[in-house]
Amino acid sequence: EVQLVESGGGLVQPGGSLRLSCAASGLTFSNYWMTWVRQAPGKGLEWVANIKEDGSDKYYANSVKGRFTISRDNAKKSLFLHMNSLRAEDTGVYYCARAKSGYSNSNVYYYAMDVWGLGTTVTVSS
Amino acid sequence: DIQLTQSPSSLSASVGDRVTITCRASLNIRSYLNWYQQKPGEAPRLLVYAASNLESGVPSRFSGSGSGTDFSLAISSLQPEDFATYFCQHIYTSPASFTFGPGTKVEIK
Repeated sequence: EVQLVESGGGLVQPGGSLRLSCAASGLTFSNYWMTWVRQAPGKGLEWVANIKEDGSDKYYANSVKGRFTISRDNAKKSLFLHMNSLRAEDTGVYYCARAKSGYSNSNVYYYAMDVWGLGTTVTVSS
Repeated sequence: DIQLTQSPSSLSASVGDRVTITCRASLNIRSYLNWYQQKPGEAPRLLVYAASNLESGVPSRFSGSGSGTDFSLAISSLQPEDFATYFCQHIYTSPASFTFGPGTKVEIK
């Protein structure tokens, strides 16, 4: 069974740092792009960052660019999100997700988050 | 940046009803659109990718359609387990952007 398990969330003061981890099992981790998505309390989903299979490409939402860093360790089947200069608006549940990509039967490119963890909660407050 | 809007923001429906949710993009995004379902306290679940491709294991009462700027997710006969919030998401790789729509909450009438 494919499984993603996040950890590392908690309460942190504004301006502080936190490192989230995501442990993968049941999949060939190095074959997939991986993604972090967050959800503020009572709000919608927000894509945060994603990273290519070999870690060579990384992309970030404008809201976290320069403050967050996504990384991965394929040997340990783990994904990370290093978060610095945290703000109250970074509060929420952070989900790790696997991304599948390719071409459909009608030759349309697709990229979608098909496996999700249960999330870890980050609270930024003094 | 490409903006997504969803309508309605919420709806009330009965078991057995046909339900349609729409997602509109501010620019042409071809078929680069996914749909997710999220129930309270749970992680999102992928339903449809590339506008019209049903994810494995998703019931056939769900279907996606559209291209360009207008998309829809239909549920042919609403079941009790379908009461949830539905999000569309566009995929854009240059520059990378994976924006979600604001969501549509489907509630029991």
